[in-house]
Amino acid sequence: AQSVSQHNHHVILSEAASLELGCNYSYGGTVNLFWYVQYPGQHLQLLLKYFSGDPLVKGIKGFEAEFIKSKFSFNLRKPSVQWSDTAEYFCAVTGGSQGNLIFGKGTKLSVKP
Amino acid sequence: KAGVTQTPRYLIKTRGQQVTLSCSPISGHRSVSWYQQTPGQGLQFLFEYFSETQRNKGNFPGRFSGRQFSNSRSEMNVSTLELGDSALYLCASSPRTSGTYEQYFGPGTRLTVT
Repeated sequence: AQSVSQHNHHVILSEAASLELGCNYSYGGTVNLFWYVQYPGQHLQLLLKYFSGDPLVKGIKGFEAEFIKSKFSFNLRKPSVQWSDTAEYFCAVTGGSQGNLIFGKGTKLSVKP
Repeated sequence: KAGVTQTPRYLIKTRGQQVTLSCSPISGHRSVSWYQQTPGQGLQFLFEYFSETQRNKGNFPGRFSGRQFSNSRSEMNVSTLELGDSALYLCASSPRTSGTYEQYFGPGTRLTVT
């Protein structure tokens, strides 16, 4: 069965610090990979996605993620976080022709001003 | 384009009752999926509908059911409510064209079972 692991439950950073959130998945076939963000009181928003091609994908608000097939990883990065990045971040995967998203447990990011 | 809308936004029900939640997808999107979000289990897939047919189903009991109408709007029904059904129920729509699986989420319906 497919699964997604997010290594950190809660990350606390100061503004301007660099961010890397880990995500590993288990699935042997072709995958589509996503990062979603849930700001306080708001609904889930798509941050970025990977279907194929360049393994380094750029999303909204300066976020990027790198797909490393050999490591089954899709880590999220941002060079310099802002207080407004405080949110919960979810990594998700779909496999093959299945359309349903399998989510990780999420990582709460708190950015101190 | 207007986003995914869900009604109602909040519901309080009693154990044993049933509930129906509604979702209107983004215009042109034919796929609607439902997810349950709880603090303990996180986000879990319930089912997906495409062109009025259930395409995929998660690991939930038969008390959870859904349907999709010809205009792509979808409803989810939970019968014989249990305390553990208290959760945020999220609807997501997708164009579901070949190779395109990104889903766009609505604000959710917060269900509290007492």
